[in-house]
Amino acid sequence: KNQVEQSPQSLIILEGKNCTLQCNYTVSPFSNLRWYKQDTGRGPVSLTIMTFSENTKSNGRYTATLDADTKQSSLHITASQLSDSASYICVANQAGTALIFGKGTTLSVSS
Amino acid sequence: GAVVSQHPSWVICKSGTSVKIECRSLDFQATTMFWYRQFPKQSLMLMATSNEGSKATYEQGVEKDKFLINHASLTLSTLTVTSAHPEDSSFYICSARDSGSRYEQYFGPGTRLTVT
Repeated sequence: KNQVEQSPQSLIILEGKNCTLQCNYTVSPFSNLRWYKQDTGRGPVSLTIMTFSENTKSNGRYTATLDADTKQSSLHITASQLSDSASYICVANQAGTALIFGKGTTLSVSS
Repeated sequence: GAVVSQHPSWVICKSGTSVKIECRSLDFQATTMFWYRQFPKQSLMLMATSNEGSKATYEQGVEKDKFLINHASLTLSTLTVTSAHPEDSSFYICSARDSGSRYEQYFGPGTRLTVT
């Protein structure tokens, strides 16, 4: 069964701290792995897209990693800001078909 | 970057009426657009895939006669919720695949539908 699992479900950190979100996927055939940020009441915004041949990709303070062998990905946020409070969604693209979404990790950054 | 807009951003309608939601790709052409529904604290659920000039493909369990999708141009897709009921209240999000990009898919800001 094609699915994406994320952990933790929710996370609270202090402003300025780093954090890492995890994603495991079982999607075949696999095309690419995406991380999106979704603010409450808004549509998802793309952070990174990685194909199976890419190990890491950065977008500002966001760094995503991908291990296609173990089918794991992580999203590392450096020096968190209050505006980072959002839901972070891991999405696996099954080749030739639609996106498979994880349930997301809700991040709360407090001052 | 590429922008996808949705209109309206929120709508309240009475039970039994129909509501149309527009999804536009503003600076790129999208041969394929997707419609999602998202309930509170849940992930996006794909409702249907629409290709310009052809009939939409609906996911299992989604009533095609209730959720009418039209993709008449390369920049516009519409979702019409017919005979809306309170259980149709949800957050509807569209996304558009850039025809010139292999992977990229851009999401709209969403439309909050409340049926009273």
